Amino acid sequence: DARVTQTPRHKVTEMGQEVTMRCQPILGHNTVFWYRQTMMQGLELLAYFRNRAPLDDSGMPKDRFSAEMPDATLATLKIQPSEPRDSAVYFCASGIARLGYGYTFGSGTRLTVV
Amino acid sequence: AQTVTQSQPEMSVQEAETVTLSCTYDTSESDYYLFWYKQPPSRQMILVIRQEAYKQQNATENRFSVNFQKAAKSFSLKISDSQLGDAAMYFCAYRSSHGGATNKLIFGTGTLLAVQP
Repeated sequence: DARVTQTPRHKVTEMGQEVTMRCQPILGHNTVFWYRQTMMQGLELLAYFRNRAPLDDSGMPKDRFSAEMPDATLATLKIQPSEPRDSAVYFCASGIARLGYGYTFGSGTRLTVV
Repeated sequence: AQTVTQSQPEMSVQEAETVTLSCTYDTSESDYYLFWYKQPPSRQMILVIRQEAYKQQNATENRFSVNFQKAAKSFSLKISDSQLGDAAMYFCAYRSSHGGATNKLIFGTGTLLAVQP
């Protein structure tokens, strides 16, 4: 089965450090999402790309977060500097927007900022 | 803006029994998609079932079926013959059928399902 690959699976870092999370979407998928999951806020959309172009990043704190798709096989989410409140599970998902199917999620990156 | 509400934070069911998880949503659109995702302790988000709003027939996938009531904006998930492996957090999600930035999934807060042996 095709899958969305996220790395790393776990990351522990100190406050103030830069964190980069990576996602390899399924080949042929033109839509990529970054979601953040916390107990308090549930699943929040951070950023959304179609054909590598950002369509919506209104859910992302712009001062410290950035999301990019340098090519069709890689999406990155960067936090600089990281803060303890960024501790969460970050999911990447991909799909084909014009089709009405659900999106395929990666296994997530569990980030802990101490 | 669209919203999704899951009013049952936790549910419990006996193995082999049937359980129904509730979901309501709010939208002004007439065409959209609804989904149920399962998140087991492994945290992987797994698509369980999908419903297209323009189809009146309720979707089914093996032991999983939905009761889609468009006028009431209700989308419940029924799990028949519950198995221990069904224990997970279940999320209801909405997606517009229109293009652009509306293709994102909007999630409910989830229902944690426990299956008792």
